Amino acid sequence: GNSVTQMEGPVTLSEEAFLTINCTYTATGYPSLFWYVQYPGEGLQLLLKATKADDKGSNKGFEATYRKETTSFHLEKGSVQVSDSAVYFCALSDFRSGGGQLTFGSGTQLTVLP
Amino acid sequence: NAGVTQTPKFRVLKTGQSMTLLCAQDMNHEYMYWYRQDPGMGLRLIHYSVGEGTTAKGEVPDGYNVSRLKKQNFLLGLESAAPSQTSVYFCASSLPPGGIQYFGAGTRLSVL
Repeated sequence: GNSVTQMEGPVTLSEEAFLTINCTYTATGYPSLFWYVQYPGEGLQLLLKATKADDKGSNKGFEATYRKETTSFHLEKGSVQVSDSAVYFCALSDFRSGGGQLTFGSGTQLTVLP
Repeated sequence: NAGVTQTPKFRVLKTGQSMTLLCAQDMNHEYMYWYRQDPGMGLRLIHYSVGEGTTAKGEVPDGYNVSRLKKQNFLLGLESAAPSQTSVYFCASSLPPGGIQYFGAGTRLSVL
């Protein structure tokens, strides 16, 4: 079956530091890949996505590239802000599943200190 | 612009009690999902629906039932709550399969 493995947290960084959160996946087909973010007390919201190999998703200074050869979708940001403190989830969706349901990683808690 | 609305936001149950969680979306989405979120485990799919009148089991369906009588609503029921069902429950909806899912703010449930 499908699975997503992401870097365990928590991760604590100083403001303006570089961020990488690793994510690798296992899927039998050609899934779409997503990063969702969950701010305290809120539901998940889409941060970025990529639908095919070598696609780069980007939003709010965050980037991730769909690497089929390494089955990875690592999240990066060049300079984090205090407002980026949240839980980040890597996820995949396999169209062949019929319902388009998401398979999530376990989440990575990020705290950015001023 | 409501999006996906979940009610209630918090609930405390005693073991054996029943309850229904309501999810409503105003985006005319065909697909709706119920997930549970537990520490260190990400979100796991309980049940989902690909359209009005349809439901299907997800990864962790035991102890839950669902209904989709109207396109905009997706109900999650617990017939006899157990402490293992203490969790945060999220509803989501999407237009195409595999597309962006939009999430509600969650329901925090404690079963004592």
